[in-house]
Amino acid sequence: QKEVEQDPGPLSVPEGAIVSLNCTYSNSAFQYFMWYRQYSRKGPELLMYTYSSGNKEDGRFTAQVDKSSKYISLFIRDSQPSDSATYLCAMSPPGKLTFGTGTRLQVTL
Amino acid sequence: EAGVAQSPRYKIIEKRQSVAFWCNPISGHATLYWYQQILGQGPKLLIQFQNNGVVDDSQLPKDRFSAERLKGVDSTLKIQPAKLEDSAVYLCASSLGSGSPGEQYFGPGTRLTVT
Repeated sequence: QKEVEQDPGPLSVPEGAIVSLNCTYSNSAFQYFMWYRQYSRKGPELLMYTYSSGNKEDGRFTAQVDKSSKYISLFIRDSQPSDSATYLCAMSPPGKLTFGTGTRLQVTL
Repeated sequence: EAGVAQSPRYKIIEKRQSVAFWCNPISGHATLYWYQQILGQGPKLLIQFQNNGVVDDSQLPKDRFSAERLKGVDSTLKIQPAKLEDSAVYLCASSLGSGSPGEQYFGPGTRLTVT
């Protein structure tokens, strides 16, 4: 069993839709939870960063962490074509990051 | 602020040849990471440096991969000899310290194809 599981997609949604991206994990030691966005032929860029359980909002993006269920989510409101990318969840105890496989998202006009 | 620089951007080699990648981190960042990202997978950490010392190289295939970070700034990653399964994007990242794992900034990567 992988430490971090993420549905690879692809996920295709119309512009303006609400997108939900999810990851599950098995390692109880994980305390930091992150979402990265990776455009084609680019390196990952940090979108959201949360510590422990709870919600965090930043513009159209909301990150949720439920440590009791070992489940994290990223919600994108009013999705735009520019949101088309691969979204990677990542998590760690202090130190090394463990990434999910990434979900490819396509937002269509 | 300049980002993480990597070169070359693309490299095609035959199996059993050697190859080297270069990374220049963000100025002042003490921690440098090399990741391997195989197509359709998330990045996997190969090696982490704190200044010019190795913090974690547990997933580095040491029989063929080597890395160094001289003077605690630039770093090179070498593969010798390359295998077909080494085809991947090699990402370099840097951060101010190692205690805030989310604050890693990635370079654009080097796409390696081994034929």
